[in-house]
Amino acid sequence: AQSVTQPDIHITVSEGASLELRCNYSYGATPYLFWYVQSPGQGLQLLLKYFSGDTLVQGIKGFEAEFKRSQSSFNLRKPSVHWSDAAEYFCAVVTGGYNKLIFGAGTRLAVHP
Amino acid sequence: DSGVTQTPKHLITATGQRVTLRCSPRSGDLSVYWYQQSLDQGLQFLIQYYNGEERAKGNILERFSAQQFPDLHSELNLSSLELGDSALYFCASSKGGVNEQFFGPGTRLTVL
Repeated sequence: AQSVTQPDIHITVSEGASLELRCNYSYGATPYLFWYVQSPGQGLQLLLKYFSGDTLVQGIKGFEAEFKRSQSSFNLRKPSVHWSDAAEYFCAVVTGGYNKLIFGAGTRLAVHP
Repeated sequence: DSGVTQTPKHLITATGQRVTLRCSPRSGDLSVYWYQQSLDQGLQFLIQYYNGEERAKGNILERFSAQQFPDLHSELNLSSLELGDSALYFCASSKGGVNEQFFGPGTRLTVL
C-alpha cells in the first residue's frame, strides 16, 4: 500500500537557521507530491507541489523541495527560518487516478528566537 | 483564505447524536474531498465527490455519509456519534483530474 513517512515528529531550529524536513514515500509509479503547512487552529495551506519536470520545485514563503526518485524522497527546505514558520508540516502523495491525498504523520516545527 | 468555506467552525454534541457538516468549494472546482484529522489517526481521506457523484472512498465509517448537491456544495453526515469521532473534519476542493487541493478551515467536532 502507498504510504508517506515523515521521520521527524518534532524539529526545533533557531530563527535564521536553515531547515530541512524529510519525507519518504512508498509508491511504485511516479507520484504526485505535495507539502502542506498547518498553523495552530488553521486549515492546511499548500506550500508546493511536484507533478513532473524539474525535480527542484519552488513554493510559497521561500520554501523549496527536491524530488529524488532514487531515494523515494521529497524533502522540504528553507535557507533561513522565520519565527512565523513555526507550524506543522505535512508531506502528502496522490496515487492512482482519484486524487486522494495520503498524508504523512506530520513534523511539528518550533522556532527559537 | 483558500476560498473553501466550512460551517460550523465548532460543534459540540453528545454520543448517539447526528450532525451535519457543510462545505462550499472554491468557485469553479468540481471535486470535493472530506478528511478527518485526529490525534491517533492523523489526517485520513474519507470520501471524494466529483460534480455530484461519489468518486472515491477511503476509511469512512458506515455511520458516516456524504453527498454533493447540484450547486456543488457538500455535506458530511455523521450519525450515532461516538467519543472517538471527536476530530477536526476538513473539506477540500479541486478542479477535475489530479490537481492540488485547497482546504477549508475545518470543523472541530467534540463528542461528549
